Amino acid sequence: DAKTTQPNSMESNEEEPVHLPCNHSTISGTDYIHWYRQLPSQGPEYVIHGLTSNVNNRMASLAIAEDRKSSTLILHRATLRDAAVYYCILPVRTSYGKLTFGQGTILTVHP
Amino acid sequence: KAGVTQTPRYLIKTRGQQVTLSCSPISGHRSVSWYQQTPGQGLQFLFEYFSETQRNKGNFPGRFSGRQFSNSRSEMNVSTLELGDSALYLCASSYGTGTPQETQYFGPGTRLLVL
Repeated sequence: DAKTTQPNSMESNEEEPVHLPCNHSTISGTDYIHWYRQLPSQGPEYVIHGLTSNVNNRMASLAIAEDRKSSTLILHRATLRDAAVYYCILPVRTSYGKLTFGQGTILTVHP
Repeated sequence: KAGVTQTPRYLIKTRGQQVTLSCSPISGHRSVSWYQQTPGQGLQFLFEYFSETQRNKGNFPGRFSGRQFSNSRSEMNVSTLELGDSALYLCASSYGTGTPQETQYFGPGTRLLVL
């Protein structure tokens, strides 16, 4: 899998936007960018994914740089429930069920 | 749709014993993947099953094995348990297309403690 680099931790205040960055300079043209998050004492959950253009869903937005070497997960209004470890992952085509998780970014949300 | 379920949720075993964990995927999903999560190594891929066949395998010793049944339910087995096998074991299910845009849905995990 292409390597991703994320900050170890970030902090935010409740109801403020959060921008979580991910660098993936070795990304190939067919690599999708996935984000998962893991809340305390739970399994990871899918957040969003994209290929080239920006994506939005009910949970978050994904902004992808024009050269695709970086992306940003945007939580528009952080809540205490968004405190989690966020993982940026680029699954390869023939990975067959394998997601390679890095250390992720620990997001702390202050009330 | 019901989510991915894993049983048991908690388990305590002693060194040398063996353990079997179970995972029921989301209805319609044919792929089940297993992961081990520890504080030191993070989340690591164990193996993936699709239509009762192992399609992919991580870098774990042969003491870790799995199988999948015709209804897509999966079990993983760890024999001759070691203290280092204490971990959260997660399973994830998907349709199993193998495409890079496919998403996985994780269960709550089974927390195994080896004494």
